[in-house]
Amino acid sequence: DAKTTQPTSMDCAEGRAANLPCNHSTISGNEYVYWYRQIHSQGPQYIIHGLKNNETNEMASLIITEDRKSSTLILPHATLRDTAVYYCIVRASRGNTGKLIFGQGTTLQVKP
Amino acid sequence: SAVISQKPSRDICQRGTSLTIQCQVDSQVTMMFWYRQQPGQSLTLIATANQGSEATYESGFVIDKFPISRPNLTFSTLTVSNMSPEDSSIYLCSVGPITSGRARDTQYFGPGTRLTVL
Repeated sequence: DAKTTQPTSMDCAEGRAANLPCNHSTISGNEYVYWYRQIHSQGPQYIIHGLKNNETNEMASLIITEDRKSSTLILPHATLRDTAVYYCIVRASRGNTGKLIFGQGTTLQVKP
Repeated sequence: SAVISQKPSRDICQRGTSLTIQCQVDSQVTMMFWYRQQPGQSLTLIATANQGSEATYESGFVIDKFPISRPNLTFSTLTVSNMSPEDSSIYLCSVGPITSGRARDTQYFGPGTRLTVL
């Protein structure tokens, strides 16, 4: 599976959009980009995933560049409860083949 | 999404003993995984629990230390054997994909078991 690079930490003001970048320059054609977050002392929570098209759900939007070498997770209106470690993970294909391998993630601090 | 429960939620154990952690999911799932998260660290995959066969372990993890069972599509156990203080971690069960529906491509995590070894 391709490796990802994320900033170690970011701050965001409450109510503003939080934009979390991720580089995955070695991603291959059958690999999806997944985003999870882990709020302190809890199990990781699935946020969103995509292959090449932009995706949006009730939690966030995922913007993937045309060359698929990077992506951005957008939390449109960050709240204090969004303070967490955010993990960008590249995983091979769909179905029952790929394992989720976690990097160090980005610690997002949402401030009042 | 899947509802995943783990037992126990936390435990304090003595050095040299063993602890078995249970993972139960409310839907049939193809894959079940066990992760470890040491204090202040990210998650590390221990093994994939295979239904009806031996688990597949990642580099650095062995069956004698972390025996795993998976008797059916909704249940798995992880045993941490002959524990030492270095085994103090959060142990997380993860499942996926769900065998039907839109969530097929997604992997979900349990709440974790917080283990302290004295």
